[in-house]
Formats: sequence, C-alpha cells, structure tokens
Amino acid sequence: GEEVAQTPKHLVRGEGQKAKLYCAPIKGHSYVFWYQQVLKNEFKFLISFQNENVFDETGMPKERFSAKCLPNSPCSLEIQATKLEDSAVYFCASSQIPGQGGEQFFGPGTRLTVL
Amino acid sequence: GNSVTQMEGPVTLSEEAFLTINCTYTATGYPSLFWYVQYPGEGLQLLLKATKADDKGSNKGFEATYRKETTSFHLEKGSVQVSDSAVYFCALIPTSGGSYIPTFGRGTSLIVHP
Repeated sequence: GEEVAQTPKHLVRGEGQKAKLYCAPIKGHSYVFWYQQVLKNEFKFLISFQNENVFDETGMPKERFSAKCLPNSPCSLEIQATKLEDSAVYFCASSQIPGQGGEQFFGPGTRLTVL
Repeated sequence: GNSVTQMEGPVTLSEEAFLTINCTYTATGYPSLFWYVQYPGEGLQLLLKATKADDKGSNKGFEATYRKETTSFHLEKGSVQVSDSAVYFCALIPTSGGSYIPTFGRGTSLIVHP
C-alpha cells in the first residue's frame, strides 16, 4: 500500500498479559523501524529490520519484547507479560533507502494501555 | 553520540504571527536533517528535509536551512494558522556508520490562537 498501516489502533491489556502489534510497511520499502512514544513526546527507537532480517536491535528491551518481519506477512512487535510502564503509543515506520535523504514514513500508531 | 536539542514549548502564538522553533544538533559527519509534524492522535508526517549544508527545505510555508557552521536547523514560518497547531519534531539521520537510526528532539508543541 501507499501508507504504513498499523493495527490495532488501541489495545488494552491487564498487567502480565501478552500484547501483539502489527505493521504493514509501504510496498517496496525494505526497512522497517519500531518506536515507542511515551509521555512528553519522547521517541525511543526499539528495533529495525531490513526485509526479514534484524538490522539494529540496540533499543529493544532484552526481556519481554520481541519482533519479527516475515515474508508476505505484516511485521509484528510482541510484548510478553506487559507491565504498567509499557503503556505508550508504538509507531512503525518504513523506509526505502534509510541513509542520506531517505526519510521514514510513519504509521498512525497503536496506543497500548496496560491496566 | 548524536543528539538533537529543541526549544521547549509550548509555543503560543496568534494567527498570522511569525514562527521560529530552534533546533540544534550534535553528530559526526554530515547527517540528513528533518522536521516532522505530529497532529493530535496521529503519527509523524514529514514536513521538510535537508541533506547537505546550506540546503533549504520548504513545505506549506515552512522553511529550514541546514547550517553546518552553527549545527542548526531552525524551523520558520512567516504567518501561522490555527491549523498549524501541532507538535513539531526535529530529527537527524546519520549518513555514515551504517546505523540509520534517527535521533529525535523532544518535540515542541505549537498552539495558534485565532
């Protein structure tokens, strides 16, 4: 598609439950990025993919968070055993050429609320 | 490491006022610079970009010039509208090192009153 699609728009989970978020990048874009936006607007990089391969995962919490980008499927971000501090808006972005001049196109985000 | 510093908001203006949102950066090499805008409940939208020194990015009346000597990329608009009310993010993407992870500023909220 011509836009980055994210589902669901809203997700509510009780503490300890699993949460799974999905992202469909723009067709033809090889790179996918996940970000977490918490209060006060700050964006935290989580992980990036080049096609189905992890490109950079320096921002991913080692425990509880995992992500995949499989061929012919939306990318996914999964949080096992959610905690209150995981409440945030999670954004996915895709890019054709991530280097010079290669802007990222953002999806509308998934708002995760952990109760 | 890389960093982006934006002026803290909120910035409150009357319609048709002149807007400046300051942005300075620290990075190795020559990063690409971007301004994104986030409207309430939405994701980031690219507003403008510049990829080398002295480049001027412009869109929808907004402008920003890549100033390497002052490591700045200030956003300006000559006459703001109520519809410009949003949060504005300055960002850089490194062009060397192979990482391509953007560094975002903390965002500046703009409120425009009629």
